[in-house]
Amino acid sequence: DAGVIQSPRHEVTEMGQEVTLRCKPISGHNSLFWYRQTMMRGLELLIYFNNNVPIDDSGMPEDRFSAKMPNASFSTLKIQPSEPRDSAVYFCASSFLENEQFFGPGTRLTVL
Amino acid sequence: SQKIEQNSEALNIQEGKTATLTCNYTNYSPAYLQWYRQDPGRGPVFLLLIRENEKEKRKERLKVTFDTTLKQSLFHITASQPADSATYLCALPLSGGYQKVTFGIGTKLQVIP
Repeated sequence: DAGVIQSPRHEVTEMGQEVTLRCKPISGHNSLFWYRQTMMRGLELLIYFNNNVPIDDSGMPEDRFSAKMPNASFSTLKIQPSEPRDSAVYFCASSFLENEQFFGPGTRLTVL
Repeated sequence: SQKIEQNSEALNIQEGKTATLTCNYTNYSPAYLQWYRQDPGRGPVFLLLIRENEKEKRKERLKVTFDTTLKQSLFHITASQPADSATYLCALPLSGGYQKVTFGIGTKLQVIP
């Protein structure tokens, strides 16, 4: 298995632009998590899905952020419009029943 | 409010010594606690999980303890090697969400040859 796949690996955009981050979880996993990591705040959970259904989005910072999981093998995190304070590394992770989470390589987002 | 505390300062130890990292939490009664390793530019990698009814767990050179009275977990790496240099994160489930975990800020370990 290739593990959790994220794209793009790096994204540089200008303030106000729409950003879409993509994630392919490990096949067979039924839970998917989106995290954001910064030096100041560490790793923060934004939203997680179970069986493609959003279970908890209380970590989504504001309405500019949205996430979807149209099927078991794909999820997106969208920021519209993006702001400089959104600059961070965004991780996707997946798991199956047990508590171990498998993380992707992350997307480093820079908003100018 | 619920809080996880890890020593945010880097820990430097000599190769061959035992490294001990601390994870303290408040206002939690977690069913389990996890430890992850993160290398620069990579996502965290799961190492160990210890449940509330377990006092200690081992995996090769790693040992984790879980003291629910002190609300503390200790993570030990024995016979440390330079390859063990990384940031180590503890994670606990928020109350009401078994799969939803909160991560500590992490402790950076540097093993000096």
